[in-house]
Amino acid sequence: AQSVTQPDIHITVSEGASLELRCNYSYGATPYLFWYVQSPGQGLQLLLKYFSGDTLVQGIKGFEAEFKRSQSSFNLRKPSVHWSDAAEYFCAVGPNRDDKIIFGKGTRLHILP
Amino acid sequence: KAGVTQTPRYLIKTRGQQVTLSCSPISGHRSVSWYQQTPGQGLQFLFEYFSETQRNKGNFPGRFSGRQFSNSRSEMNVSTLELGDSALYLCASSTGLAGYEQFFGPGTRLTVL
Repeated sequence: AQSVTQPDIHITVSEGASLELRCNYSYGATPYLFWYVQSPGQGLQLLLKYFSGDTLVQGIKGFEAEFKRSQSSFNLRKPSVHWSDAAEYFCAVGPNRDDKIIFGKGTRLHILP
Repeated sequence: KAGVTQTPRYLIKTRGQQVTLSCSPISGHRSVSWYQQTPGQGLQFLFEYFSETQRNKGNFPGRFSGRQFSNSRSEMNVSTLELGDSALYLCASSTGLAGYEQFFGPGTRLTVL
């Protein structure tokens, strides 16, 4: 069955440091892949998406993600985080056989000043 | 273009009552999906409506229902509320076409006492 795993529930990095959030998926073919961010009290905002083509995807707010088929991963990266990046990040994959997008459990990012 | 709006933003109900939540999608979007978000379960898909028809449904009891109007606005109803229904209810709109990119509203925070 299709699934998506975000191994890290919480991640803490210092402001200005680099960031990598992990996402692994199980899917029979090449999936649609998404990263969303949710700030406190807000809905989810799409950071970036991968459908096909170049495996390195650029998103908003300086984020990028790389699709690695051999590792079934779609990790999110940012070279230098800002305090405003503190939020919860969700990886999503699909569609599954019910034609739905499946969301991971999320990774909460904390930023140290 | 205006984003997805949800009303009300906050709601407090008691067990046994019923509640109706409203979602207005982005203009031109014909698909509206509803999600329940809780700390323990993460994002769980409730249902999707496309052109006034339920196109997809998650694994929730029949107490959860929805509908979509001809202007694509959607409502979600929960009857006989239980304590476990306390959650953030998110609405997401999309064109409904291939791509599966969803745009989320800010959510309705429902507290059941």
